[in-house]
Amino acid sequence: AQSVTQLDSHVSVSEGTPVLLRCNYSSSYSPSLFWYVQHPNKGLQLLLKYTSAATLVKGINGFEAEFKKSETSFHLTKPSAHMSDAAEYFCVVSDQYNFNKFYFGSGTKLNVKP
Amino acid sequence: NAGVTQTPKFRVLKTGQSMTLLCAQDMNHEYMYWYRQDPGMGLRLIHYSVGEGTTAKGEVPDGYNVSRLKKQNFLLGLESAAPSQTSVYFCASSGLKLLSYEQYFGPGTRLTVT
Repeated sequence: AQSVTQLDSHVSVSEGTPVLLRCNYSSSYSPSLFWYVQHPNKGLQLLLKYTSAATLVKGINGFEAEFKKSETSFHLTKPSAHMSDAAEYFCVVSDQYNFNKFYFGSGTKLNVKP
Repeated sequence: NAGVTQTPKFRVLKTGQSMTLLCAQDMNHEYMYWYRQDPGMGLRLIHYSVGEGTTAKGEVPDGYNVSRLKKQNFLLGLESAAPSQTSVYFCASSGLKLLSYEQYFGPGTRLTVT
């Protein structure tokens, strides 16, 4: 069965410094992988997705993620954090047999200090 | 184009009461989902539907029922609410975009059971 592990429940960075949110998945195949962002009291918005077209994926708001099959990782990065990036981030993997079924990580809360 | 909408946005129930949450999407998607979000647990799938008239159980289906009588609507019912069902509920639909299926989320329903 697929699973997703987000290695940090909380990450705190200063504004203007890099952001790294870590995600590992377990799967015997190459899945579709996603990062979603959820601002306080809001719904989830898609940041970016990996679908085997390119291992480095660029998303909205300057975020990007790199798919590393050998490490089963899909870490989310941003070169310079902005105060508006403070939110919760979810890593998501698609099901092996049903690409319309998805599994969520437990989330990483990003705090950005001024 | 409203995307995915949910009603109501907030609700307080007493233990044993029943209620129905309504989800609607205007993107002609076949797949629809109901999730619950609890602190530190990410989103967990309650039930999902692969098309009009069909439903299937997710990870945490107990205490909930669903119906998909029309393609654009997906209803989540609580027959006898319990405090353990206090949560934020998200509806989503999924469609094919750029080589993979991706989910679109509603704004959520915050339910408190006392």
